[in-house]
Amino acid sequence: SQKIEQNSEALNIQEGKTATLTCNYTNYSPAYLQWYRQDPGRGPVFLLLIRENEKEKRKERLKVTFDTTLKQSLFHITASQPADSATYLCALGTTAAGNKLTFGGGTRVLVKP
Amino acid sequence: DAGITQSPRHKVTETGTPVTLRCHQTENHRYMYWYRQDPGHGLRLIHYSYGVKDTDKGEVSDGYSVSRSKTEDFLLTLESATSSQTSVYFCAISESRQGDGYTFGSGTRLTVV
Repeated sequence: SQKIEQNSEALNIQEGKTATLTCNYTNYSPAYLQWYRQDPGRGPVFLLLIRENEKEKRKERLKVTFDTTLKQSLFHITASQPADSATYLCALGTTAAGNKLTFGGGTRVLVKP
Repeated sequence: DAGITQSPRHKVTETGTPVTLRCHQTENHRYMYWYRQDPGHGLRLIHYSYGVKDTDKGEVSDGYSVSRSKTEDFLLTLESATSSQTSVYFCAISESRQGDGYTFGSGTRLTVV
């Protein structure tokens, strides 16, 4: 069956360091992958999109890579700040109609000052 | 959450009663989605809509129905609520291009007692 895995353990990191999150998938051929941020009691917020023919995308302090051979995406937050503390979700989409997304369970990040 | 609102924000209901959750958007986006979020399962798609009166099932649609009579409104109905439907429900919208990021509502926390 299709599966999307994110590390369920929280990632504790010191301010200023780079946080790296992984998103692995099996039995899936995504056309694109997205990353979202979710704060407690709020809905997820869209951060980045990367398509299957792209290796890397950047947005400010965020960087995403997409390796369709390894079936993995890495999400990096450089120069992390306490305000980056949140849960980060990856989501995969295919070419099927409806722009439907399948989400991973998310990884909580805690940036300590 | 600009442009998308969910109501109610919180609801407690009794087993066996019908419940309707409302999602309202002002963005004129074509696609609307209902997800539920539970610990250990992440976000799971219940139903989605690709236009007025056009809806389809997601991966966890049993016990739920939806209606979309206007572009801006997408209703989720639990015909006869069960305790397993206690969850946080999120509505999301997206434009019609593949890969467009979702905009999520703030969620409805539903408790079935």
